[in-house]
Amino acid sequence: ETGVTQTPRHLVMGMTNKKSLKCEQHLGHNAMYWYKQSAKKPLELMFVYNFKEQTENNSVPSRFSPECPNSSHLFLHLHTLQPEDSALYLCASSYKISTVGNTEAFFGQGTRLTVV
Amino acid sequence: LAKTTQPISMDSYEGQEVNITCSHNNIATNDYITWYQQFPSQGPRFIIQGYKTKVTNEVASLFIPADRKSSTLSLPRVSLSDTAVYYCLVGDLRGSARQLTFGSGTQLTVLP
Repeated sequence: ETGVTQTPRHLVMGMTNKKSLKCEQHLGHNAMYWYKQSAKKPLELMFVYNFKEQTENNSVPSRFSPECPNSSHLFLHLHTLQPEDSALYLCASSYKISTVGNTEAFFGQGTRLTVV
Repeated sequence: LAKTTQPISMDSYEGQEVNITCSHNNIATNDYITWYQQFPSQGPRFIIQGYKTKVTNEVASLFIPADRKSSTLSLPRVSLSDTAVYYCLVGDLRGSARQLTFGSGTQLTVLP
C-alpha cells in the first residue's frame, strides 16, 4: 500500500456513458497527478493539481474532466470516450515544497479502463 | 526539462548484480535523479533518489559521477521478482510538475 487509493480498480464503460474515477490520499501531500498508460507505452502526464489548483493540462481532450475539491481527493470525470481511451489510469501525489530538499511521488494501483 | 536516455531492455540471471545506466546530459543544477520501478498493471514505485556521488538504501544503490551527466542504478543479486520496467527521472519537483515526466524506461527481465 502506497497511501494513494484509486477506485474503481476496473471499469468497463460504453462510449455514451458517464463515469468518474476517484483518487484519495491522506499523506498530507499537496500535489496530485493523473496519468494515462496505454498498453506497453510510457506513462503520459495528463493533469496536475497543486494546492487544489490545476497547473498542468497536457492537451488532454475535453472528454476527460478533472476535479480536485481538496488536497486529498482527485477525480477524473469521463464522458463520451472512445475505444482508444482504454488504458490504465494512474493517480499520484507528492509534496510540493519550495525550500530545500526534493521529494518522491506515490502512485495508486490504477484503474484499468475499457471502453466498448 | 532534462531529457533522459536509457536502454530499452536488459536481461539478467538470478543472483547477479544489475546495473542500469541513464544518460542526462543537460541536467540542471537543481535537478535530482530519481528511479522508479513498475510492475505490469501497477503504479510506479519509488526506488531511490540522489543528487551526487553515491546513495544506498535497502533496495538499491545509485551512483552519480561528478559531472552528473549520467547515473547508474545498481540492483544487487536480482531475483525473478525484480522483473519490471525501471524509469529514470531527472528534475526538481519544487519547480514545474512537468519534472514528473516519465520516459520509455528499461524493461529488466530476470531469468532463472
